[in-house]
Amino acid sequence: GENVEQHPSTLSVQEGDSAVIKCTYSDSASNYFPWYKQELGKGPQLIIDIRSNVGEKKDQRIAVTLNKTAKHFSLHITETQPEDSAVYFCAASSPSSASKIIFGSGTRLSIRP
Amino acid sequence: DAGVIQSPRHEVTEMGQEVTLRCKLISGHNSLFWYRQTMMRGLELLIYFNNNVPIDDSGMPEDRFSAKMPNASFSTLKIQPSEPRDSAVYFCASRVSTATDTQYFGPGTRLTVL
Repeated sequence: GENVEQHPSTLSVQEGDSAVIKCTYSDSASNYFPWYKQELGKGPQLIIDIRSNVGEKKDQRIAVTLNKTAKHFSLHITETQPEDSAVYFCAASSPSSASKIIFGSGTRLSIRP
Repeated sequence: DAGVIQSPRHEVTEMGQEVTLRCKLISGHNSLFWYRQTMMRGLELLIYFNNNVPIDDSGMPEDRFSAKMPNASFSTLKIQPSEPRDSAVYFCASRVSTATDTQYFGPGTRLTVL
């Protein structure tokens, strides 16, 4: 089955700098890659997603890239702000898994003022 | 829309007691997922339903866990008897089961079994 690995597990960046979180997946049939943000005491919330027919997607300060050949995908947050502090999860889903989403282990992002 | 609704938000119980967690889907959604989150194991999918039918329950830890969808908008996750190792945050998520795969999570139920 699908396996998603996520790095780093913790990340601390200065406010205003960029943050990058990287994930790899194992199932070459995976075609949907969402990113979720989880704030303290809340459920994960979708912030951006990308499908396998696209290499990059951007939404304001957030961008995701996908390298299907290498089975890598990444989340980029530019001009980080204190409200970006949270745990971020990458995930992957494939038709062969009946559209189950397999989550990475999470990255705790802290923004230093 | 109110989003996915879970109750209770917090539950503290003693080992051996029955625990029932509840989830109301977003109106119009027809897929329902139950997850468990712990520090050690992260987010684990326990079971998911499509149109009230359980599709995959391979993540259910053992027979002490059971889940039902008595109607299209509501689900329960029951643990009987509960054990301290069941302590975790339990999330449900719902999805429109069409071309989109976006899951919308509820706020979670924090379960503590003493």
